[in-house]
Amino acid sequence: GESVGLHLPTLSVQEGDNSIINCAYSNSASDYFIWYKQESGKGPQFIIDIRSNMDKRQGQRVTVLLNKTVKHLSLQIAATQPGDSAVYFCAETPHDYKLSFGAGTTVTVRA
Amino acid sequence: DADVTQTPRNRITKTGKRIMLECSQTKGHDRMYWYRQDPGLGLRLIYYSFDVKDINKGEISDGYSVSRQAQAKFSLSLESAIPNQTALYFCATGRENEQFFGPGTRLTVL
Repeated sequence: GESVGLHLPTLSVQEGDNSIINCAYSNSASDYFIWYKQESGKGPQFIIDIRSNMDKRQGQRVTVLLNKTVKHLSLQIAATQPGDSAVYFCAETPHDYKLSFGAGTTVTVRA
Repeated sequence: DADVTQTPRNRITKTGKRIMLECSQTKGHDRMYWYRQDPGLGLRLIYYSFDVKDINKGEISDGYSVSRQAQAKFSLSLESAIPNQTALYFCATGRENEQFFGPGTRLTVL
């Protein structure tokens, strides 16, 4: 079946370093992708999105890269801070207003 | 997100009991969703509703039912709870393709 998945379940990063979180998707009909951040005890929160007609989009300290050729999505966090410790999910949709989520990557920031 | 509220936040119940989880939103969105989250599995869609008269099954609807009482309210029921329904449940609202999540309800079925 088609699914969205993250390459690694956990990522440990030194404070101040850059983080890269990867996600592979298999639904070729998907044309909209979102990254969510979930802190402990909270619901997922929107970080950044990208449409399939783009290959890069930048936000504040975050960048999302989309490679449609290999169906790969990544989230880069610059100068990782302790507050970035959370679970990160990628999600995709073929514009049917339903999102399919990956399993998540737990990011731990070391002081 | 304070615009999406869920009650209760935590619930412990016994096998066979009927449970209702409630969700309210002040965002004015027509679309509402219920997900469950299990460790290592991400979020899986249970039911969704695109307006008050529209109810659709998601990928894991067995054992659950929903009611869209108003645009702002979408409740999830477990008619006869079983232990493998122990999970974290999230309600969300939708605007375009973006979804906004509530704080979650932690349900434990003994």
